[in-house]
Amino acid sequence: EPEVTQTPSHQVTQMGQEVILRCVPISNHLYFYWYRQILGQKVEFLVSFYNNEISEKSEIFDDQFSVERPDGSNFTLKIRSTKLEDSAMYFCASSASNTEAFFGQGTRLTVV
Amino acid sequence: AQKITQTQPGMFVQEKEAVTLDCTYDTSDPSYGLFWYKQPSSGEMIFLIYQGSYDQQNATEGRYSLNFQKARKSANLVISASQLGDSAMYFCAMSRYQGGSEKLVFGKGTKLTVNP
Repeated sequence: EPEVTQTPSHQVTQMGQEVILRCVPISNHLYFYWYRQILGQKVEFLVSFYNNEISEKSEIFDDQFSVERPDGSNFTLKIRSTKLEDSAMYFCASSASNTEAFFGQGTRLTVV
Repeated sequence: AQKITQTQPGMFVQEKEAVTLDCTYDTSDPSYGLFWYKQPSSGEMIFLIYQGSYDQQNATEGRYSLNFQKARKSANLVISASQLGDSAMYFCAMSRYQGGSEKLVFGKGTKLTVNP
């Protein structure tokens, strides 16, 4: 069964450093998303991506964040100058045009 | 703005019994989708079931069914014949458009514990 794959599963980084979270969406999906879940809290939408551009972003997704689809298969989330409050589980998801979103297993980011 | 409310922080059920997890929503859009996801302790988000706002029948997927009451703006998840492996967090979510998954808005979740 096709699945969304995220790497790494856990990333520890020092405050102020840049991190790149990687995702391989399901191959025939057209819509890609990043969500964030701070420990013990609800899942929050960050950004959606369609046709090689951001289609929508939340207020959380400020200039510190960027997304890219560099090679037609990977979908990345870059966080510049990480802060302690960026520590969270980051989920990538993908969907076809009219289907449910399938989530990856998540990347747990810990900023120290 | 869309909003999802899950009022049960935790629920307990005996193995093999049915359990209902509550979800109410608020939106002014006529078209929307409602989803339930399961999050085991390992952390991944597993899609369970979907209901479109224009769907006439309640969605069912195996042991999962969605009790959709549009007038009451509720979308409760019913799990029949609970299994120990059902112990997890359950999140209700909605999308802006029926059939789409754009910008899902999630509730705070309900932690389900299935007792042997």
